[in-house]
Amino acid sequence: NAGVTQTPKFRVLKTGQSMTLLCAQDMNHEYMYWYRQDPGMGLRLIHYSVGEGTTAKGEVPDGYNVSRLKKQNFLLGLESAAPSQTSVYFCASSYSGLNLAYEQYFGPGTRLTVT
Amino acid sequence: DQQVKQNSPSLSVQEGRISILNCDYTNSMFDYFLWYKKYPAEGPTFLISISSIKDKNEDGRFTVFLNKSAKHLSLHIVPSQPGDSAVYFCAAPNGSQGNLIFGKGTKLSVKP
Repeated sequence: NAGVTQTPKFRVLKTGQSMTLLCAQDMNHEYMYWYRQDPGMGLRLIHYSVGEGTTAKGEVPDGYNVSRLKKQNFLLGLESAAPSQTSVYFCASSYSGLNLAYEQYFGPGTRLTVT
Repeated sequence: DQQVKQNSPSLSVQEGRISILNCDYTNSMFDYFLWYKKYPAEGPTFLISISSIKDKNEDGRFTVFLNKSAKHLSLHIVPSQPGDSAVYFCAAPNGSQGNLIFGKGTKLSVKP
């Protein structure tokens, strides 16, 4: 049981390049989330999904797109990377249902640098 | 405007003593709160939670207290251990679908 895994762990991009971050979970969770963590800013929600085929915007969605084609995977895309997207990205998943959804399981993070 | 605030960026405590981490919130609609713990180069892990119908929840060395009138909660760790050294985030759900609003975190250092 691997829990939540994220690929890649590190990446350096040039401004304007694109990339996709992959998140996978093997706990059969309905809900999945993408957060970013910046120094002194805590974790901020980018996008989330409450089930296969559904996505919704979070607090800071601009410049990102997501897809949830399979229940176990949640992809985060950057179409044209900007230096402001330099951050550590965390994926999380949880069960559905009141209060259960709040106990989220996080992946180890992807450290992205955009130069 | 920050809805969940952790005003102390860092806290240093001696091993064996009590660690008290504080969190304030502004939204009176929040009815559930969680603490997450994060080690360097790892994702956050859920630690303990409390519903607004309670004023205290205990799990081993960890106790969370909630003061609804003051919109304040605190996490007590007794006794503190060096392995507790981590960043602690306070969080509250923003809606019923699991969206969490996190505070900025408090870095706890427990010195042997």
